[in-house]
Amino acid sequence: EPEVTQTPSHQVTQMGQEVILRCVPISNHLYFYWYRQILGQKVEFLVSFYNNEISEKSEIFDDQFSVERPDGSNFTLKIRSTKLEDSAMYFCASSSGVGYEQFFGPGTRLTVL
Amino acid sequence: KNEVEQSPQNLTAQEGEFITINCSYSVGISALHWLQQHPGGGIVSLFMLSSGKKKHGRLIATINIQEKHSSLHITASHPRDSAVYICAVTFGNEKLTFGTGTRLTIIP
Repeated sequence: EPEVTQTPSHQVTQMGQEVILRCVPISNHLYFYWYRQILGQKVEFLVSFYNNEISEKSEIFDDQFSVERPDGSNFTLKIRSTKLEDSAMYFCASSSGVGYEQFFGPGTRLTVL
Repeated sequence: KNEVEQSPQNLTAQEGEFITINCSYSVGISALHWLQQHPGGGIVSLFMLSSGKKKHGRLIATINIQEKHSSLHITASHPRDSAVYICAVTFGNEKLTFGTGTRLTIIP
């Protein structure tokens, strides 16, 4: 069964460093998302991506964040200069269309020291 | 503001009990999702529904659009059902707006 994959499973970084979180969505899906979950809190939307551009982003998704689909399979989230408060679990999801089920990856736990 | 509320926040039950988790939302939605989050953190989609009722194995999800309310039921609960159950909605766009989750613990 097709699944969304994410790498790495756990990333530890120093404050101020750049990190890139990687996702491989399900191959025939067209819509891609990043969500995050700070420990003990609810999951929050970061950004959605369709047709090689951002379709919606939240207030959290400021200039320090960017997304890219560098090739036909990967979908990346870059944080340029990490802050302590960026520590969270980051989930990638994909769907075949608006109003369709979203499939989640296993998540990347980001720890900023 | 588009809010999603879940109750209860925590639920502990004996194996075999019938479980109900509730979700309510503040404005009209295009779809409601029930998700399961395992202790390791992974999220699995259980149901997506916009009206009526869906069933998969021992899980049943219902939605009442007029009352802006949905329920997730688990029949014959088992310790492996222990997880966080999350209600999430879409308000006519693609993004999911999540509830805070219900932590379910089933005791053998």
